[in-house]
Amino acid sequence: NAGVTQTPKFQVLKTGQSMTLQCAQDMNHEYMSWYRQDPGMGLRLIHYSVGAGITDQGEVPNGYNVSRSTTEDFPLRLLSAAPSQTSVYFCASQAEGASYNEQFFGPGTRLTVL
Amino acid sequence: KNEVEQSPQNLTAQEGEFITINCSYSVGISALHWLQQHPGGGIVSLFMLSSGKKKHGRLIATINIQEKHSSLHITASHPRDSAVYICAVKVAGGTSYGKLTFGQGTILTVHP
Repeated sequence: NAGVTQTPKFQVLKTGQSMTLQCAQDMNHEYMSWYRQDPGMGLRLIHYSVGAGITDQGEVPNGYNVSRSTTEDFPLRLLSAAPSQTSVYFCASQAEGASYNEQFFGPGTRLTVL
Repeated sequence: KNEVEQSPQNLTAQEGEFITINCSYSVGISALHWLQQHPGGGIVSLFMLSSGKKKHGRLIATINIQEKHSSLHITASHPRDSAVYICAVKVAGGTSYGKLTFGQGTILTVHP
């Protein structure tokens, strides 16, 4: 049981490049989320999904796209990277149901945009 | 003003000391989470609270719903407790999806 996995761990992009951050979970969780973590700020929600085929925007969605074709995978796409997207990105999953269910976090992807 | 405020932002302690980290929030909540993030590492959930008090080993978490305040206590602190501790709340109402609002985190350093 690997939990929540993310790839890559580190990535450097040039402004304007595109890339996809991968996230997968093997716990059969319905809910998945993408957060970014910046110095001096709390984790902020980018996009989330409450099940396959269902996604919604979080607090800071601009510049990011997501899709959820399977329960296991929830990739985050940067369409045209900008220096403001330099951050650490965390994927999380949660079992459906009670609002106090634990969220399980991936190890993070550290992204630098030059 | 952030909906979730933690204090202190930085905390340095000597091994063995009793540590308290505070979290205040300004909205009605259905649950509060305490998370731990080690340097360069991922984030793990320590506690989820909707009322009262929970204890796990040397860690104790309390919440006062009326005062909109929670505390995380570490007894007999150890250098391995050095980490960032993050408070997050699930705002009351809405769907069962656990969309959380996070505090900025408290950086704890415990010296031997």
